[in-house]
Amino acid sequence: EDQVTQSPEALRLQEGESSSLNCSYTVSGLRGLFWYRQDPGKGPEFLFTLYSAGEEKEKERLKATLTKKESFLHITAPKPEDSATYLCAVQAPGYNKLIFGAGTRLAVHP
Amino acid sequence: GAVVSQHPSWVICKSGTSVKIECRSLDFQATTMFWYRQFPKKSLMLMATSNEGSKATYEQGVEKDKFLINHASLTLSTLTVTSAHPEDSSFYICSATVAGNPYEQYFGPGTRLTVT
Repeated sequence: EDQVTQSPEALRLQEGESSSLNCSYTVSGLRGLFWYRQDPGKGPEFLFTLYSAGEEKEKERLKATLTKKESFLHITAPKPEDSATYLCAVQAPGYNKLIFGAGTRLAVHP
Repeated sequence: GAVVSQHPSWVICKSGTSVKIECRSLDFQATTMFWYRQFPKKSLMLMATSNEGSKATYEQGVEKDKFLINHASLTLSTLTVTSAHPEDSSFYICSATVAGNPYEQYFGPGTRLTVT
């Protein structure tokens, strides 16, 4: 069964304290892995798509990496405005629906 | 680009009534639209996938007669919650894929439904 597990469930950081969020997945062939940011009461905001192991993508303080079993979202020197829930999702061949993990709730304190 | 809107952003209705939620792609044609449901502090649960002009494909466990989906055009899909009950209260989110790129989904801002 296709499955996505994110850890930790919640993470509290001090401003400037870099860290990584983990997304482990089991899927019968990966078409793509997606990272989204979701603010409370809002829809998910697209961040990155990764398609193959070894691929990396960056956007401001965020960097996403992908291996054959997991993906990491690295946050460098976070700011309070980076506080949000970060969602990981995978897409398997044969259909275009996304399977989401439960998310990591990130809180960055000044 | 790739902006998706939802209307209303929140709605309160009484048990037994029906409520319609609209999802629109504002600056692109959406070949496929998806409807999700999200409970507090939980992830998104896919309810159904709809293609313009076709019947929606519902996920296992989702009642198609209760959650009616219509995808009448390439820019509009609607979700109607029929005979709503308090347990239908949730955050409903739609997403859409851009023609030519079926892999990346762009999400709407969500609709908070409260059934009293």
